[in-house]
Amino acid sequence: EAGVAQSPRYKIIEKRQSVAFWCNPISGHATLYWYQQILGQGPKLLIQFQNNGVVDDSQLPKDRFSAERLKGVDSTLKIQPAKLEDSAVYLCASSKSGTEYNEQFFGPGTRLTVL
Amino acid sequence: AQSVSQHNHHVILSEAASLELGCNYSYGGTVNLFWYVQYPGQHLQLLLKYFSGDPLVKGIKGFEAEFIKSKFSFNLRKPSVQWSDTAEYFCAVRYSGAGSYQLTFGKGTKLSVIP
Repeated sequence: EAGVAQSPRYKIIEKRQSVAFWCNPISGHATLYWYQQILGQGPKLLIQFQNNGVVDDSQLPKDRFSAERLKGVDSTLKIQPAKLEDSAVYLCASSKSGTEYNEQFFGPGTRLTVL
Repeated sequence: AQSVSQHNHHVILSEAASLELGCNYSYGGTVNLFWYVQYPGQHLQLLLKYFSGDPLVKGIKGFEAEFIKSKFSFNLRKPSVQWSDTAEYFCAVRYSGAGSYQLTFGKGTKLSVIP
């Protein structure tokens, strides 16, 4: 079974530029999560999708971050414009459903550096 | 606010030494508890989890953790570590009843095992 795929693996941009990350969850997983992991900290949930609907985006900085999962499969996370403090690893995870008993499987992450 | 504390930032052990990593969480409600591990260059993987029942749970690779409700703790243990256990370990909590089932992570503990 293929794992969660993310691209690109690394990205370097200058502040005020835009960037987009892509995630393809495990086949059949209805729930998709985006996390931000700043160096020295644990992952922090940005947004959770159940199929193509948003379940929780309470910690998403909506003035600059957006995410979509139009067909309920893969997802894109965008930052526009980027700030220095957005430098982090962006992790995508998926689970079979949104119920509390389903394990979240994580992708390798995209490491973003904002200069 | 919900939070998870991991008391040790970096632990250095010799092979065959015993390991105990501390994890405490805030809030007194029903929780699900997890330990994730990230080996160098790899993605986050689930090590073990607790939902209910026996508070002593066993995970992969000889790890175990004990849930002590009165102390809001879920410490990770291994009787004899190996060099291959060198990794970063994250404790995570999911607060039951929260609709998004999001995980709240600690800051992580880096374990270095010296051969």
